[in-house]
Amino acid sequence: QQQVKQSPQSLIVQKGGISIINCAYENTAFDYFPWYQQFPGKGPALLIAIRPDVSEKKEGRFTISFNKSAKQFSLHIMDSQPGDSATYFCAANSGNTPLVFGKGTRLSVIA
Amino acid sequence: DAGITQSPRHKVTETGTPVTLRCHQTENHRYMYWYRQDPGHGLRLIHYSYGVKDTDKGEVSDGYSVSRSKTEDFLLTLESATSSQTSVYFCAIRPGQGGETQYFGPGTRLLVL
Repeated sequence: QQQVKQSPQSLIVQKGGISIINCAYENTAFDYFPWYQQFPGKGPALLIAIRPDVSEKKEGRFTISFNKSAKQFSLHIMDSQPGDSATYFCAANSGNTPLVFGKGTRLSVIA
Repeated sequence: DAGITQSPRHKVTETGTPVTLRCHQTENHRYMYWYRQDPGHGLRLIHYSYGVKDTDKGEVSDGYSVSRSKTEDFLLTLESATSSQTSVYFCAIRPGQGGETQYFGPGTRLLVL
């Protein structure tokens, strides 16, 4: 019930391409869905987050798409850049419960 | 790092020795968390606190204890370290009162020999 499943584990994208990372959840009580970005040797940092009352949220080159009926949400990185190379984590929670994290996706953007 | 410090940042210890990791925040946030990060497992919650002296277990709490005697400090103790506890440990904080975002510290890299 608490699981968040993330795919793929790793992703290689050409510079300028679109990176897509997917997550699926089981707990229908979840109402907050953030994405975190982590660079080597650093702690995860919030990238973008969405609530289930909207189907999409865009911040610059980063977009979250949310499908409530399918219990899925995804991160799209448009015009991917080498500086976007990092590990990305999706997460979810409800109310004051701790975030439950996916296992992460290592993104490499190659020139 | 949102006013969060972790100490030590790196530690090497031997199996069977006690280890205490410290998380210190300057934000006066209510919630504090300890996670461990291991390849292939992502971030797994060890323990968390929802106020001074109020703590609860996460999914991987065996072998760990915590204490929070004041708002700004959250201590994680490995009573008798084992090699399986070699990991990177992250502390996180959250305001509560409608602030959902968890902010992470810089991490502590622990090696148990």
